[in-house]
Amino acid sequence: QKEVEQNSGPLSVPEGAIASLNCTYSDRGSQSFFWYRQYSGKSPELIMFIYSNGDKEDGRFTAQLNKASQYVSLLIRDSQPSDSATYLCAVNTNAGKSTFGDGTTLTVKP
Amino acid sequence: DAGITQSPRHKVTETGTPVTLRCHQTENHRYMYWYRQDPGHGLRLIHYSYGVKDTDKGEVSDGYSVSRSKTEDFLLTLESATSSQTSVYFCATRLQETQYFGPGTRLLVL
Repeated sequence: QKEVEQNSGPLSVPEGAIASLNCTYSDRGSQSFFWYRQYSGKSPELIMFIYSNGDKEDGRFTAQLNKASQYVSLLIRDSQPSDSATYLCAVNTNAGKSTFGDGTTLTVKP
Repeated sequence: DAGITQSPRHKVTETGTPVTLRCHQTENHRYMYWYRQDPGHGLRLIHYSYGVKDTDKGEVSDGYSVSRSKTEDFLLTLESATSSQTSVYFCATRLQETQYFGPGTRLLVL
């Protein structure tokens, strides 16, 4: 089992819809969770981080964390074509390292 | 933008030759990382550094070595490049819990 797993994708949604990206992790001791966005040919950039159970909202983005289920998700409301990218889930360890999922590619169709 | 540069940005080399990739940061971040990214594998940690001359291995360190003689520079060396090391290499730094990525280096080993 991989340490961090994401929906294999690709995921396609129409413009204006809600895109839901999911991530599970295996280390119950993980404390901090991140979503990075990566456009094709570019480097990853941070979208959101979450440390506590529940929801965290930032504009059109909502991160959800359920530590009991070892599950993190990212919801993108009112999806735009500019949201088309690969989304990487990352989990930080106490040793200062991050483990990344393989990413989910999202396409938002006009 | 965390002020991270990588050089070279593109390189083609032959099997068996040594290759050194450079990461330079201007942010005085303590932690630095080298990742490789391949289709279907997401970001995989090669080596990381938690201070000058303090480095440790990641999950795919075989065939790679690193050095960090000063805070701003983190070098990744492929002692004898192999075709399996053809990849995109990303350097990253960390501030608190967030990682900031350089633009990447595309390496082709023929």
